[in-house]
Amino acid sequence: DAMVIQNPRYQVTQFGKPVTLSCSQTLNHNVMYWYQQKSSQAPKLLFHYYDKDFNNEADTPDNFQSRRPNTSFCFLDIRSPGLGDAAMYLCATSPSQGAQETQYFGPGTRLLVL
Amino acid sequence: AQKITQTQPGMFVQEKEAVTLDCTYDTSDPSYGLFWYKQPSSGEMIFLIYQGSYDQQNATEGRYSLNFQKARKSANLVISASQLGDSAMYFCAMREKAGNMLTFGGGTRLMVKP
Repeated sequence: DAMVIQNPRYQVTQFGKPVTLSCSQTLNHNVMYWYQQKSSQAPKLLFHYYDKDFNNEADTPDNFQSRRPNTSFCFLDIRSPGLGDAAMYLCATSPSQGAQETQYFGPGTRLLVL
Repeated sequence: AQKITQTQPGMFVQEKEAVTLDCTYDTSDPSYGLFWYKQPSSGEMIFLIYQGSYDQQNATEGRYSLNFQKARKSANLVISASQLGDSAMYFCAMREKAGNMLTFGGGTRLMVKP
């Protein structure tokens, strides 16, 4: 089945130690998104790629970076995780950027910062 | 101003009964899409149903239907014959033609009682 895959499902890192979260998709969608979701809150968009074009949300901290080496994969790099970065990180894809396009989410990676 | 408002932080429903989750939205864009997602405790955001701003009929998907009242700017989700597995967080979201972002409401936690 076509899907959005995130690895790992749970990630534990230490304060200040760089960490990378992975997302892959078999949907062949042009757009990939990274969201951060803290407890009892709605997801917050960090950035997205339309093909290779990177779009950063204005309030996304510089600590967060992303890479999309090809259509299928997208990575979220947190250069120096702080305690406040502990959250669920959700990857999503959509075929394009139209208002009618559904975003399909992966299962998420829960990040714990010690 | 909030673009998506979900006024019910939490709701209970008896198993096998129907329940309506409220969602109101605010946009001046004539072209937009409205989405409902379910998020169980596992964290995955599961797409449930979509309604386009130009759609004449209310969307339905199995036990889910969307009560779309365009003039009132509301897009309530109706779940018929509730099941225990419906217990989850439910998010209403909107995507406007003018932008790429999916804007989420604050969510409603639904609890189905046996």
